[in-house]
Amino acid sequence: GEDVEQSLFLSVREGDSSVINCTYTDSSSTYLYWYKQEPGAGLQLLTYIFSNMDMKQDQRLTVLLNKKDKHLSLRIADTQTGDSAIYFCAETTGTASKLTFGTGTRLQVTL
Amino acid sequence: DVKVTQSSRYLVKRTGEKVFLECVQDMDHENMFWYRQDPGLGLRLIYFSYDVKMKEKGDIPEGYSVSREKKERFSLILESASTNQTSMYLCASRSGRNTIYFGEGSWLTVV
Repeated sequence: GEDVEQSLFLSVREGDSSVINCTYTDSSSTYLYWYKQEPGAGLQLLTYIFSNMDMKQDQRLTVLLNKKDKHLSLRIADTQTGDSAIYFCAETTGTASKLTFGTGTRLQVTL
Repeated sequence: DVKVTQSSRYLVKRTGEKVFLECVQDMDHENMFWYRQDPGLGLRLIYFSYDVKMKEKGDIPEGYSVSREKKERFSLILESASTNQTSMYLCASRSGRNTIYFGEGSWLTVV
C-alpha cells in the first residue's frame, strides 16, 4: 500500500530557510501536496505539484520533486514566526479519490 | 471562496453514545472525505464519498459509518462511541482539479 514519511520536528531561526522533506512509496502518484496546519485549525493547502514537474515556486515557497527517489521537499525562504505550524505532505494517484498523508513535520521558528 | 464547514468544533460524549459529526461544503464538489488526526499518526482516512448515497471505506472504517443524502452534506456517525475514538476529525471535499479543501476540524472527547 501507499506510505508517506516525514520527520516529526524541525527547528530553524527566523530569517533562515526551512526545508521540510517527505518520501513516498507509490510510484503511480500523480499529484503531491503540501498542507499547513496551525494550532487548533484545519489543514490549509499551501501548494501542489504534478508528478511530471521537477520544481514549482510560489513566492517564498519552493517545491522540489525527485520522482526517481520518490522524494518531495518544501523550502520556505526567509522563515517567519508565522510559519510555525505542522506541515503535511500528501499524495494521490489520478484515478483514486483518496489522499494519503504523511505524519506531519512540526516546524518551530525561533528568534 | 471555498468553504467546508464542520458544525461542531468541540464535543464531549459518554462511552456508548451515538455521535453525529456534520460537514457541509458549498462548492458543489462530488468527493467528500472524513479523516481522523492523531499525534504521530498523521491523517488517516475513515470513509469517503464520490457521489450522493455512494460511499467507500477508507483505511480505518471500523466503528464508524457515514451518510451522504445530499451532495453538500457528509455525516460521520459513531454508533457507540468508545474512548479510543477520542480524536480530531477533519472533513474535506475535493475539486475537479484534485485540490482538497478541509474544514476546521471537530475535537471529540469520549469519556
